[in-house]
Amino acid sequence: DAKTTQPPSMDCAEGRAANLPCNHSTISGNEYVYWYRQIHSQGPQYIIHGLKNNETNEMASLIITEDRKSSTLILPHATLRDTAVYYCIVRVVGMYNTDKLIFGTGTRLQVFP
Amino acid sequence: EAGVVQSPRYKIIEKKQPVAFWCNPISGHNTLYWYRQNLGQGPELLIRYENEEAVDDSQLPKDRFSAERLKGVDSTLKIQPAELGDSAVYLCASSSEGSYGYTFGSGTRLTVV
Repeated sequence: DAKTTQPPSMDCAEGRAANLPCNHSTISGNEYVYWYRQIHSQGPQYIIHGLKNNETNEMASLIITEDRKSSTLILPHATLRDTAVYYCIVRVVGMYNTDKLIFGTGTRLQVFP
Repeated sequence: EAGVVQSPRYKIIEKKQPVAFWCNPISGHNTLYWYRQNLGQGPELLIRYENEEAVDDSQLPKDRFSAERLKGVDSTLKIQPAELGDSAVYLCASSSEGSYGYTFGSGTRLTVV
């Protein structure tokens, strides 16, 4: 019951901005969009999250469309260490004491020199 | 801060054998999650604890899987008996009330042969 769709892979040159798109057309009004990344053999690492406003932190920026049906994660200056699988996730909180992250299959970002 | 600690990192067992995974969450985090990640897929929630109570175990295959969180701190996930299809990475995560994201451990990679 994945709620997000992402391209399976993307490339980015080191030092350039990486823009990772995500579609979440069935997202509900109270569900947050989260982004995590997973480097090989490690657990997922939190990047950023948002509800409807654009967000920025020290790692990345999150741009959410006004209708909330899609979003873009921006890594402003990609480095080789940003090579990872990036997951766009919907956090479902609500009925029947539910609180869980619903992962999709992610985008494998390859940053090249 | 030590982060979420899981052990073992790797486990290889024969089918029909039992196996157990251990998780120590971040100190003070009252919510603990177990996720399973199949090869090439995003993680999926198995069970969520609030303190020592399992508040969402709807995705846990209860015929062979069990979990416990004694005293609301460490947790153990058990499979008995293991099947070939249980081969996956088992991730533990924790969060505190009001926090915006989960912190994941590095996971236990289980191979059933």
